[in-house]
Amino acid sequence: QVQLVESGGGVVQPGKSLRLSCAASGFTFSNYAMIWVRQPPGKGLEWVAIMSYDGSDKYYADALKGRFTISRDNSKNTLYLQMNSLRGDDTAVYYCARNLIQYKSLLGYFDNWGQGTLVTVSS
Amino acid sequence: DIQMTQSPSTLSASVGDRVTITCRASQSISTWLAWYQQKPGKAPKLLIYKASSLESGVPSRFSGSGSGTQFTLTISSLQPDDFATYFCQQYNSYPYTFGQGTKLEIK
Repeated sequence: QVQLVESGGGVVQPGKSLRLSCAASGFTFSNYAMIWVRQPPGKGLEWVAIMSYDGSDKYYADALKGRFTISRDNSKNTLYLQMNSLRGDDTAVYYCARNLIQYKSLLGYFDNWGQGTLVTVSS
Repeated sequence: DIQMTQSPSTLSASVGDRVTITCRASQSISTWLAWYQQKPGKAPKLLIYKASSLESGVPSRFSGSGSGTQFTLTISSLQPDDFATYFCQQYNSYPYTFGQGTKLEIK
């Protein structure tokens, strides 16, 4: 069955960097667009970024563009999120999910999610 | 950005009740809408996509309807496992946006 396992979260000081990983199994990873979504404690869901199946296309939430970078290694079945210049309001559970394309420009919905990894930005 | 507004924010209901959650988009999104269920400490789970298509394995008591700017998620007969938070999500255009969530509580 489809499995997505995030890792790399933890406590980090403001201004520092962190890289999250999402290991995929149970499906042909290289055939699917993938996304990151985050959820601050006790709050709603916020989309972060999306990458196409082959890494050639990507989109970001405007507020995060320039600080966050999505990437993937299809040989390792792994999705990444590089987060730089972290701030307190980046504190959240970060989920990766599989994006099923329904429309143009990779647009679609998320049919399988990982369990999430908590990132806490604090001095 | 397309704003998604859910109502109500909290809903108290009893096992066996029929409940409806509404999601309104700030502009037309055709039927490019999904619904998710989330339980505390867990990842969201897909229930409905393209406004009214039931995801495989999801009980048939869940149904979705709507198009344009108004959408509803209906649970025909609440079961104990259904008490959770529900989110809508539009995928008409970037950025993807979610509703703020509706928490379904036991009355």
